[in-house]
Amino acid sequence: DGGITQSPKYLFRKEGQNVTLSCEQNLNHDAMYWYRQDPGQGLRLIYYSQIVNDFQKGDIAEGYSVSREKKESFPLTVTSAQKNPTAFYLCASSSGLGGYTFGSGTRLTVV
Amino acid sequence: KQEVTQIPAALSVPEGENLVLNCSFTDSAIYNLQWFRQDPGKGLTSLLLIQSSQREQTSGRLNASLDKSSGRSTLYIAASQPGDSATYLCAVSHTGFQKLVFGTGTRLLVSP
Repeated sequence: DGGITQSPKYLFRKEGQNVTLSCEQNLNHDAMYWYRQDPGQGLRLIYYSQIVNDFQKGDIAEGYSVSREKKESFPLTVTSAQKNPTAFYLCASSSGLGGYTFGSGTRLTVV
Repeated sequence: KQEVTQIPAALSVPEGENLVLNCSFTDSAIYNLQWFRQDPGKGLTSLLLIQSSQREQTSGRLNASLDKSSGRSTLYIAASQPGDSATYLCAVSHTGFQKLVFGTGTRLLVSP
């Protein structure tokens, strides 16, 4: 079945540590996105990529970094510069013609 | 800047009722509008996608309408069931590759 796989499902980060969230899709979609979800605030866009080797900042990119070396993969790194990283992170993809498909999310907690 | 508002924020109904969820957006120049469902702690599941040239889409007990000129969409759920309990999100995009702008959702509880 085609879809988006996010891993891990739960992730714990210590202060000052960088962590990387994985996102893989087999839908052959060109565009991929990372959203952050906080209670009561809805989803906010972190980064998006329309094509391999290119990506743009979203509304809340500070403290995050991404890469797009392959069409299927769009990993997100939460750096130590992100002061409040505890949140639910969602990856999505789209073909540009239709709708968006979301992964099942990664819950990141600072310990 | 596009803003999306969903009313009500929460809704509790008995099983079997028909219900309507509302979504409004400030910039009518949208490419499409999509309704999603989110269960607690889970990702988003796409329910219905309406292109800007369409007025409605149907899937089973769900019907979504779009009035682009007035900046409104409604999601109609017929004969609600406890399994429909979830948060419903609407989102709009301005091109096929641009970001989705989300509303904050309507949390629905259907009691047996």
